[in-house]
Amino acid sequence: DIQLTQSPSFLSASVGDRVTITCRASQGIGNYLAWYQQKPGGAPKLLIYATAALQSGVPGRFSGSGSGTEFSLTVSSLQPEDFATYYCQQLQAYPYTFGQGTKLEIK
Amino acid sequence: QVHLVQSGAEVRKPGASVKVSCEASGFNFNDYVIHWVRQAPDQRLEWMGWINAGNGNTEYAQNFQGRVTFTRDTSATTAYMELSGLTSEDTTVYFCARELFTSGWSRWLDPWGQGTPVTVSA
Repeated sequence: DIQLTQSPSFLSASVGDRVTITCRASQGIGNYLAWYQQKPGGAPKLLIYATAALQSGVPGRFSGSGSGTEFSLTVSSLQPEDFATYYCQQLQAYPYTFGQGTKLEIK
Repeated sequence: QVHLVQSGAEVRKPGASVKVSCEASGFNFNDYVIHWVRQAPDQRLEWMGWINAGNGNTEYAQNFQGRVTFTRDTSATTAYMELSGLTSEDTTVYFCARELFTSGWSRWLDPWGQGTPVTVSA
């Protein structure tokens, strides 16, 4: 199985901060990397697909980058509604694994 | 609008089975693959597999093979996930999600259903 390791697992930040979450894959996954945001009691919501493509309706302060085995999600200026848990997922090889999640909390 | 609406919370006894539904609207159901994902108590997401709504083909994650069955009813634009031999470790929330893809380039899941909590308790 392809392992995805997110770092950090917990992140404390303030409104207006720029934050970056990293997702490292145990082997190359090409462009088959997506990022999701999940709020308590809700379903995951797609933010970024194909490493860097912004899903329609998602604010431009979210961006994705990376290649091979190293990927990142950046929020350029945190807004109150961005405090949530973020997951990466690889869909290159079965099983389609997820990172363990990064919980973004208000400082 | 594209929506996936799942059935409500379920409670089962150990050893029983549960069947969760996922009703699609706003898109041509037959043209898509529907995935199933569950979320463990530690919040980690676990992929269970998919069903091709058009031809009924399925792919199951090895962790669930022999215990999970995906079906669909095209007339009702609904996908189903049935999990048997339930234990307390199956107590969690189950999600369905639609796959989108660009051939040979990438794939992703959007949208997701709202989730169905399943509780397994004696």
